[in-house]
Formats: sequence, structure tokens, C-alpha cells
Amino acid sequence: DAKTTQPPSMDCAEGRAANLPCNHSTISGNEYVYWYRQIHSQGPQYIIHGLKNNETNEMASLIITEDRKSSTLILPHATLRDTAVYYCIVRVNAGGTSYGKLTFGQGTILTVHP
Amino acid sequence: GAVVSQHPSRVICKSGTSVKIECRSLDFQATTMFWYRQFPKQSLMLMATSNEGSKATYEQGVEKDKFLINHASLTLSTLTVTSAHPEDSSFYICSARHRDFYNEQFFGPGTRLTVL
Repeated sequence: DAKTTQPPSMDCAEGRAANLPCNHSTISGNEYVYWYRQIHSQGPQYIIHGLKNNETNEMASLIITEDRKSSTLILPHATLRDTAVYYCIVRVNAGGTSYGKLTFGQGTILTVHP
Repeated sequence: GAVVSQHPSRVICKSGTSVKIECRSLDFQATTMFWYRQFPKQSLMLMATSNEGSKATYEQGVEKDKFLINHASLTLSTLTVTSAHPEDSSFYICSARHRDFYNEQFFGPGTRLTVL
């Protein structure tokens, strides 16, 4: 899997949008971008994933640049409960020996403050 | 839906004993389960991948004789830490890949192991 680069930490005010960047400049054409988050002492929680197009679900939006070398996870209205470590992962979704594996980097510690 | 449970949530044991951790997919069938380990202030490290009915595939540097993985059914995988030592103290997390939605992986809540 390609490596990703994320800022180690970010702050956000409650109620504001949180924009978490991720660089994945060596991403391959068949690799998807996944976002997970981990609240302290819990298992990771799936947020969203995408290949080329921007994606949106009830939790967040994912914006992928046209060259696919970077992406941004957007939490539109951050709450205190969104404080967590956010992981950006690129992964092949079908075939290959790495099929299904998620390789976690250090992630971004997002702190939402009142 | 897509809930994964782990048991126990916390375990404290003496050095030299073995500890078994269970990972269950409660409302779906999982063809593949993954085991991760996470040390304090570090990221998750994949230990092994197990497919139902076959031997687990271990990541480089993970001792297969120390971390025994059994995946006997589509809803249960177990990780046994044999002859545990203090350096095995960690947060162990499993995840399960849904049989029908194989691009999605659901994580358990984790098991905190402390070896005295």
C-alpha cells in the first residue's frame, strides 16, 4: 500500500468545519482512499472511502484532488465527540496479496474545543 | 448492523500464562478477520490475517507460535497469547471483513492486556 502523510495534530472549534488533509502522492490507480478514526481506547471506526470522485455520507465528506495525490476529510459541524485520531489509508480493494489489509500511519489527532 | 465484539475487554495475567481473546461478528458473517496490536501512543500494527477454515497469515516479525490464531467459523476468531510476558502488554484489536461487503472492515472495541 502507498504511504500517506498527515499533520500530527489539528484543532477545531465546536460547530465549525474540520478539514483534515492527507497526502498520498504515490497512490496507484487501483487504490482507494479510506478514512477511519479512533476515539481513545476504542477500536477504529470507519468514516468514508473513495476512489476518484468526491464522496459524502452522514458523517463526513471526502474531497479527492483530480490527480489523486491528496485528499481532505471534512467534518461539516464538529462536536466535542469528534475528538479522536483520524487515519487516512490507501488500499487496494480487490486482488493482490495485500487485499483487505489496512496499514495505519500515525494519523492526525483532532481536538475539538468548546 | 455490522457489530464486532471482543471478549474480554480487559485482562490482567501473570507472566508465563496464556491468554485467549475472542473476536465475534455479531450480525454478519466474516470471511476474513484481522488482528492488530497497539502500544501506548502508537498506531495500530497488523499482526495477522485469518481466513475461516485456513491457517492465519502472520506479518513479518510476529511469532506465530506465540500468537496462536484460530478462525473456526464465519463469526468467531480467537487470538491466544502464549506464555505472556510484560512486553506483550498492549491493546489488541480485531476487525472483520463482511462476507457480502468485502471492501468494508469493521473493528472490535479492543482488549487491554496487562501482563504482570
